[in-house]
Amino acid sequence: AIQLTQTPSSLSASVGDRVTITCRASQGISSALAWYQQKPGKAPKLLIYDASNLERGVPSRFSGSGSGTDFTLTISSLQPEDFATYYCQHFRSFPYTFGQGTKLEIK
Amino acid sequence: QITLKESGPTLVKPTQTLTLTCTFSGFSITTSGVGVGWIRQPPGGALEWLGIIYWDDDKRYRPSLMTRLTISRDTSKNQVVLTMTNMDPVDTGTYYCAHRRGGSSRDFDYWGQGSLVTVSS
Repeated sequence: AIQLTQTPSSLSASVGDRVTITCRASQGISSALAWYQQKPGKAPKLLIYDASNLERGVPSRFSGSGSGTDFTLTISSLQPEDFATYYCQHFRSFPYTFGQGTKLEIK
Repeated sequence: QITLKESGPTLVKPTQTLTLTCTFSGFSITTSGVGVGWIRQPPGGALEWLGIIYWDDDKRYRPSLMTRLTISRDTSKNQVVLTMTNMDPVDTGTYYCAHRRGGSSRDFDYWGQGSLVTVSS
C-alpha cells in the first residue's frame, strides 16, 4: 500500500502568516491527491483535488501543488478560521490512504 | 444539494457485528462514476479509509479489514450499508460515509456528519 507522510505533524503560526504543509508519497501517484481540513467534532472538508485544483467555495488563500511523490498545501495568509487539522489522501491505487494529519495551532 | 447521514448503534460489544447505514440524497448511486466510501477515525487519531462501493456495484476494501468488512447498497432506499464483523475495542471511533464524485476526480467532496461507535463490554 502507498504510504503518505505529512510534515510537520503540528505547527504553530499566527494570523497573517504563510504556511506550507508537505505530503510525501512512498511511490509516485501522479496528481491523484486531495487535501482536507477538519475541525474538532466535524467531518473533513475537501479543499484541494487532483493536487492543485481548488474546490468550489474554498477561499483562494488555499493552494496545492506537486505531482509524483511530493505535494504541498499552502495557506497564503492565515485566518482565524484556518486553525484546524489538515489531511492529504491519495487516489492512485487501493487502499486510498490518508496522511497522519497536520495540526495547525495558534501561536 | 448532496447530503449523507450515518446511522446505527453507538455501543457495540466485543465480537459483535456492527451495521451502519448511510442514507443519502441529492445524487444517484447508479450514476456513472459515482461512489460512496466509508472512512473512520479513532478518538484523537487520523482518518482511515475503509472501503467504497461504486455505481456499478463494484466494491473495494482495505486489505487488513477485507475478511471483516462488507459494503452493500439499496438503490431503492438511497442507502449504503457497512457491516463489520468481530468488533474489537480498537474499532472504536467515528465512522463517516462520503460521496465520491463521478468524472476523473476520485476525491470525497461531501461527507456525512459521522457516527461515533464505541466497542466495549
